[in-house]
Amino acid sequence: GAVVSQHPSRVICKSGTSVKIECRSLDFQATTMFWYRQFPKQSLMLMATSNEGSKATYEQGVEKDKFLINHASLTLSTLTVTSAHPEDSSFYICSAPDRVLAKNIQYFGAGTRLSVL
Amino acid sequence: GDSVTQMEGPVTLSEEAFLTINCTYTATGYPSLFWYVQYPGEGLQLLLKATKADDKGSNKGFEATYRKETTSFHLEKGSVQVSDSAVYFCALSGHTGGFKTIFGAGTRLFVKA
Repeated sequence: GAVVSQHPSRVICKSGTSVKIECRSLDFQATTMFWYRQFPKQSLMLMATSNEGSKATYEQGVEKDKFLINHASLTLSTLTVTSAHPEDSSFYICSAPDRVLAKNIQYFGAGTRLSVL
Repeated sequence: GDSVTQMEGPVTLSEEAFLTINCTYTATGYPSLFWYVQYPGEGLQLLLKATKADDKGSNKGFEATYRKETTSFHLEKGSVQVSDSAVYFCALSGHTGGFKTIFGAGTRLFVKA
């Protein structure tokens, strides 16, 4: 089945630094990818929709200057947490739908656990 | 807007017990319905899906039936195993919003040996 690779799986950084997370669709093209944030023992909160070749669409309350999204190719989207602070510590997950074979099914990356010291 | 409500956890069962996790939804139109499972420290995996009313999704002994009349998609398994311990998310996705997926809050399942 379709595979989405997310990297890194875990990152620890100092407050004030920026962190980039990559999301790749390995065997299908993804014109759209989704970025979620998950707090401990809570559900996934959609942060933004990443669109290949155009600007990302952010959900209400998500700072676009804080969470920069770039979708430069049909297989890669990146999320950069700029000037990270401890409150940004969370589990970030990306997903992509395989629009050709299975429109509504989301294939998820394994997630990135960000810890900001 | 669209939403998903699922029973709160945690749910604790003994091995071989019957499992039901309730899920109801609110949506315009006719969304597709999903159950995803998340094992500790991992991302989500699709467990099963149903795309129209009366469809039954099934996988690994789990089943759920798309009930339009009650707007429900309850997850069931006849005999759970320790390895089923995980968090289960009910979700929907429709044609509106560009196939965005809306998730329920998740239900944590613990299965004791």
